[in-house]
Amino acid sequence: DAGVTQSPTHLIKTRGQQVTLRCSPKSGHDTVSWYQQALGQGPQFIFQYYEEEERQRGNFPDRFSGHQFPNYSSELNVNALLLGDSALYLCASSGNRGLSYNEQFFGPGTRLTVL
Amino acid sequence: EDKVVQSPLSLVVHEGDTVTLNCSYEVTNFRSLLWYKQEKKAPTFLFMLTSSGIEKKSGRLSSILDKKELFSILNITATQTGDSAVYLCAKGGNKLVFGAGTILRVKS
Repeated sequence: DAGVTQSPTHLIKTRGQQVTLRCSPKSGHDTVSWYQQALGQGPQFIFQYYEEEERQRGNFPDRFSGHQFPNYSSELNVNALLLGDSALYLCASSGNRGLSYNEQFFGPGTRLTVL
Repeated sequence: EDKVVQSPLSLVVHEGDTVTLNCSYEVTNFRSLLWYKQEKKAPTFLFMLTSSGIEKKSGRLSSILDKKELFSILNITATQTGDSAVYLCAKGGNKLVFGAGTILRVKS
């Protein structure tokens, strides 16, 4: 049973560029959440997708956008990259039933470096 | 705004020691509190606590929640070098709200 997968593993971009990160949820999960983890901090919630729609959003600017596909996989897009966007981007998936709703399983992350 | 605070920020112990990690929270609409272990990249799920006073246990790890005093603790007994990691606690729900984590280093 494959867990949550993310690609790419590492990415280096320059300021002003755009980036797309990808996530495939754990088998049987239909909800995908994205988090940004800066060095030395806990993950910060960016947004969550369910049924191909953004269900909830954290305090991130509109430069951060996402998409969920019919197969439940998801993309995170960041436009006009800033140095401060350098972080580990984590994707988490969960089922949308009862308490399992709260058990979010994380992927290995994408390390984004903005130069 | 929901807030989760962990202490200590970091901890160095010797193999065999017992450690207690703390997590306090100020949140609205509390549903659950979760503990994760993060070694290199992906946080791995440890426990989910929803009821006060009930200890969750898995091997040498255990955790308990106090909903009245708004805190949780994670205990690790007989620590091993493999326990070295960042331990994160988070308020559960659609949007997990994490603390900054406790960095645990276990020396052999």
